[in-house]
Amino acid sequence: GENVEQHPSTLSVQEGDSAVIKCTYSDSASNYFPWYKQELGKRPQLIIDIRSNVGEKKDQRIAVTLNKTAKHFSLHITETQPEDSAVYFCAASWYDKVIFGPGTSLSVIP
Amino acid sequence: DVKVTQSSRYLVKRTGEKVFLECVQDMDHENMFWYRQDPGLGLRLIYFSYDVKMKEKGDIPEGYSVSREKKERFSLILESASTNQTSMYLCASSYLSSGRGPNTGELFFGEGSRLTVL
Repeated sequence: GENVEQHPSTLSVQEGDSAVIKCTYSDSASNYFPWYKQELGKRPQLIIDIRSNVGEKKDQRIAVTLNKTAKHFSLHITETQPEDSAVYFCAASWYDKVIFGPGTSLSVIP
Repeated sequence: DVKVTQSSRYLVKRTGEKVFLECVQDMDHENMFWYRQDPGLGLRLIYFSYDVKMKEKGDIPEGYSVSREKKERFSLILESASTNQTSMYLCASSYLSSGRGPNTGELFFGEGSRLTVL
């Protein structure tokens, strides 16, 4: 079945710096790649997604890149703020089935 | 707003008991999911349903079954609970990615059900 790997598992950055989280997936049939943010004690919520026919997508301080050939996709957060501290999950989807990576715990130090 | 409601926030059960976790969504979503969340392991898919009475195994279906008799309701059943099933269980729903609904593919999660098996 599909496998999604995610690195790093924990990440600490100074406020204002950038954060990058990388994921790889195994099934070349995957065509949709969402990213979810889960704050402590809350449910995961979608922050950005990208489809297989697009190489890059940006939404304010958040951007996602996709390399289908290498089966890699990454989340980039610029000008990090303390409220960006959370667990971030990447995921890969094909035929509506969604498989998540193990998560990255991001801490933004003021 | 999409609402995904899980019947119980906290449950404590004994080994061997039968456990029902229920999830209801109010957005007419075709897809419904059950995930299990454990520290360091992320969200692992237990079962997935893309239509009434249809189900597909996820990565960790052993020890679990599901039921989807109505479009809005997806139940997770632990036939004989064991201590290694102590976990946070998250239900989610979404539109079919081939459909025309808004935000197709986006998962909407319930608040979670924390199950402890003694």
